[in-house]
Amino acid sequence: ETGVTQTPRHLVMGMTNKKSLKCEQHLGHNAMYWYKQSAKKPLELMFVYSLEERVENNSVPSRFSPECPNSSHLFLHLHTLQPEDSALYLCASSQDKAGGDTQYFGPGTRLTVL
Amino acid sequence: GDSVTQMEGPVTLSEEAFLTINCTYTATGYPSLFWYVQYPGEGLQLLLKATKADDKGSNKGFEATYRKETTSFHLEKGSVQVSDSAVYFCALSSYGGSQGNLIFGKGTKLSVKP
Repeated sequence: ETGVTQTPRHLVMGMTNKKSLKCEQHLGHNAMYWYKQSAKKPLELMFVYSLEERVENNSVPSRFSPECPNSSHLFLHLHTLQPEDSALYLCASSQDKAGGDTQYFGPGTRLTVL
Repeated sequence: GDSVTQMEGPVTLSEEAFLTINCTYTATGYPSLFWYVQYPGEGLQLLLKATKADDKGSNKGFEATYRKETTSFHLEKGSVQVSDSAVYFCALSSYGGSQGNLIFGKGTKLSVKP
């Protein structure tokens, strides 16, 4: 596979469930990102990882917990979510986290919280 | 802070019509500018980019010129096709600092009718 892949593509979960989103990049990049895309809102940056170290957390609720075990993989662990967390979650990667670098996106996970 | 403003949609055009989607930005530094496209059910794909003033990005018949004097990066295509129907996002990424964040506009939905 090439580029950035995300699994699952669709996820439905109850508010008491625990689930994880997975992202994998095959581009040899050093930086990875999680974004949230809700209807009628701009894309929101959630987390930034550079060389497996979290470098940014944009005031995201603790019910979202990221993990970056190596530079190719990024997870988003979900627990006790709320219906308003239903959205498309996009993963992206770039060569580095420096400004101006092109970010490459995965296809996203469509999350529905019941 | 830095921001991106793009024209509200939806935009509906007939096939072979001329397309312009306006984008203006506010940035304290010298940002790189991007257009991303999101086809239905998919993630974001980089369409084109420009890294300095007067640069022209182009791809698949789309063009945008980095205009520092008007702080704009308008997207144009001379003859749209039905397959161009998608949501288009303008974004910037500033150099400097420790963050490589992309700041997105709200997106413009384009529908092309045969």
